[in-house]
Formats: sequence, C-alpha cells, structure tokens
Amino acid sequence: GENVEQHPSTLSVQEGDSAVIKCTYSDSASNYFPWYKQELGKGPQLIIDIRSNVGEKKDQRIAVTLNKTAKHFSLHITETQPEDSAVYFCAASSSGNTPLVFGKGTRLSVIA
Amino acid sequence: EAGVVQSPRYKIIEKKQPVAFWCNPISGHNTLYWYLQNLGQGPELLIRYENEEAVDDSQLPKDRFSAERLKGVDSTLKIQPAELGDSAVYLCASSLPSVDEQFFGPGTRLTVL
Repeated sequence: GENVEQHPSTLSVQEGDSAVIKCTYSDSASNYFPWYKQELGKGPQLIIDIRSNVGEKKDQRIAVTLNKTAKHFSLHITETQPEDSAVYFCAASSSGNTPLVFGKGTRLSVIA
Repeated sequence: EAGVVQSPRYKIIEKKQPVAFWCNPISGHNTLYWYLQNLGQGPELLIRYENEEAVDDSQLPKDRFSAERLKGVDSTLKIQPAELGDSAVYLCASSLPSVDEQFFGPGTRLTVL
C-alpha cells in the first residue's frame, strides 16, 4: 500500500520568511496530493491540492510542487504570518474517493 | 453551507465502557469516512461509506468497533468495550461522489481512563 513520508516534523521560521515542507510517496498509482492545515482542537482543513497532471499550483501565499518521477511533492508558504502556525499534513491517494494516506505532520511555528 | 458536524466534541470514559460518536456529513456528500488520529500522527482510515454501503472497512478492528450509516446520511461509530489504547481523536470526513476533495469535521476527542 501507499506510504507517505513527511519532513521536517517541526519547523520554526521568522515572520515574513518562507517555509517549505516536503513529502515523498511510494505508490506510483497515486495521483491526488492534498495539503491540510490543522489548528489545535480542530479538524484538518484542506488548503491546497495538486493532481498528477500538474507540476505546480499556487494560491496567494501558498504553492505546491509535484515531481512524479521522484515521487515527491512540497508545500511552500511565503511571507509567513503568526496565523500560519499550525500542524500541516500532506496526503496521497489515487482518484475516485479512495482513502487518503497521510504523512505524520509538520508543526510550523511562525515567530513574530 | 454547514460543514461536517460531529458530536460529542469530547468524551471521557472508563475502560470497558461503550462509547458512540455521531457524524453528519455535508449535504449531498454521498461518501463518508471515519478516520482515527493518534497524538502526533496523521489521520488513518477506519471505514469508508458510499451511501449506506461500507465499501472499505479493512482497517476497522471489528472485534470492538462497529459503524453504521443506515439511511446513507449520518453515521455512528461505536466502540464496545473501550480500551486505554483507544484514546485518540476520531475524525469524520465527507466528499461528493467520485470527487477527490475530502472535508473534515472537528473530531471527537476520546479519553479512556
């Protein structure tokens, strides 16, 4: 089955700096890669996703890149703000309502 | 539009007691998922429903866990009897048919003493 590795497990950045979180996956059949943000006491919130027919996707300060050959994808957050502090999870699945396989999460702290 | 609703938000029970969690998905979302999230880990699938049919329950510990979605809308997940290791957050998610995006509820945090 699919296995998703996520790094780093914790990340501290100064406000205004960029943050990068990286994930690798094992199943070449996976073609959907979402990123979730989870704040304390809340459920995961979908913030951006990418499909295997696209190499990069951007939404304001966040972007995701995908390298299918290397089986890795990354989340980039620019101009970080204190409210970006949360745990971020990457996930992978093949399309069609198949279960998401999550990484173990990255705790991002943005220091004002 | 209301999101995925879960109740209760918190539950504390003693081991060997039964417990049940309830989930109401986003209106029109035929697919419903129950995930388990241990502390410091990502969510892991327990069971997936397409309407009222459980189409993937391979990760559900069937000796003590059960789930139902009788009318294809809301769902209940039950543990009987609960063990200390069941302490975790139980998340419900839903999605439209054949659509990748899954939307999560706030979860139920279970503590077994």
